[in-house]
Amino acid sequence: EPEVTQTPSHQVTQMGQEVILRCVPISNHLYFYWYRQILGQKVEFLVSFYNNEISEKSEIFDDQFSVERPDGSNFTLKIRSTKLEDSAMYFCASKVAGEDTQYFGPGTRLTVL
Amino acid sequence: LAKTTQPISMDSYEGQEVNITCSHNNIATNDYITWYQQFPSQGPRFIIQGYKTKVTNEVASLFIPADRKSSTLSLPRVSLSDTAVYYCLEDSSASKIIFGSGTRLSIRP
Repeated sequence: EPEVTQTPSHQVTQMGQEVILRCVPISNHLYFYWYRQILGQKVEFLVSFYNNEISEKSEIFDDQFSVERPDGSNFTLKIRSTKLEDSAMYFCASKVAGEDTQYFGPGTRLTVL
Repeated sequence: LAKTTQPISMDSYEGQEVNITCSHNNIATNDYITWYQQFPSQGPRFIIQGYKTKVTNEVASLFIPADRKSSTLSLPRVSLSDTAVYYCLEDSSASKIIFGSGTRLSIRP
């Protein structure tokens, strides 16, 4: 069964550094998403991406965040200058056109020191 | 934006039926009711979706009363592996999912 994959599984960085989180969505999916989950809290929407542009973003997704689909398979989330409060699990998700169900990856745990 | 309310946590034992109820304040006429499941250290996973009455699949049943102001997720004969957080969604569209606060279900032997 096809799955969304994410790398790395765990990223440790220093405050102020740039990080790039990578995702490979399911191959025939056209809608892509990033969510985050701070420890002990619920999953929060960050951004959705379709047809090579952002469809919608939340208040969390400020100028420090950006997304990119650099080739036909990868979907990335970049945080330009990380803050301590960016420490969280980051989940990528994708879905096929015409269906509601989103398929989530296993997540990347980001730790900002 | 529809808001949902669900219990923070529930405990049960293996072999029992578990029912988790969610209230749906201000649900819109054309909104579906959707539940996701999140196992420890994993991403969320779709469980079930319905509009009204009852829906059943291989994992769970979903009961929705006529007024659609609530929904009940029913897990038959739970096992230890059903320990997870169960989310009743506040919003679901092509552009995003808004998760509710979730119910942390703990199953004991």
